[in-house]
Amino acid sequence: AQSVAQPEDQVNVAEGNPLTVKCTYSVSGNPYLFWYVQYPNRGLQFLLKYITGDNLVKGSYGFEAEFNKSQTSFHLKKPSALVSDSALYFCAVARYGNNRLAFGKGNQVVVIP
Amino acid sequence: EAQVTQNPRYLITVTGKKLTVTCSQNMNHEYMSWYRQDPGLGLRQIYYSMNVEVTDKGDVPEGYKVSRKEKRNFPLILESPSPNQTSLYFCASSDPGLAGGEQYFGPGTRLTVT
Repeated sequence: AQSVAQPEDQVNVAEGNPLTVKCTYSVSGNPYLFWYVQYPNRGLQFLLKYITGDNLVKGSYGFEAEFNKSQTSFHLKKPSALVSDSALYFCAVARYGNNRLAFGKGNQVVVIP
Repeated sequence: EAQVTQNPRYLITVTGKKLTVTCSQNMNHEYMSWYRQDPGLGLRQIYYSMNVEVTDKGDVPEGYKVSRKEKRNFPLILESPSPNQTSLYFCASSDPGLAGGEQYFGPGTRLTVT
């Protein structure tokens, strides 16, 4: 079965500084990897995904993520954080060709003005 | 507008009183799923459906039922709710024909069982 680990419960970052949210995964075979964001009282919104190809994936709102197969990681990054980026971020993995997602516990990101 | 809708958004009920949370999508997606979100546990899958009349258990199916009689609808049924089913519930859909198609989520239903 696939699984995701998001080791930090909360990430605090000053506005304008780089933001990194960590994710490692476990899955048999090749993975589909996703990042979703959840704002207060809202559903999850898709940010970006890795399916195949270039290891650096660009997504919505200036976010990007780097797939590292040897380290089984898919960290989310943003060069310059905004206060509006404060939200709950979820990493998810699926087995190649399968729709079933396994989610991590989520990371609360707090961007300090 | 492409969307997944859920009703109700908020529900307070008592132990043992049957309830149904509806989910509907307008994107003609074949795959639909229910999750529950609890603090510190992330999202856990309850049930999923690959197509009409095809449903299967997820990771935490106990105490829940689902049905998929139409492609667009995927209701979640709690026959006899208990306090440990107090949670935030999300419905999602995706197109399995797309390799790695992302899931679209509804706005959530916050359920409290007293």
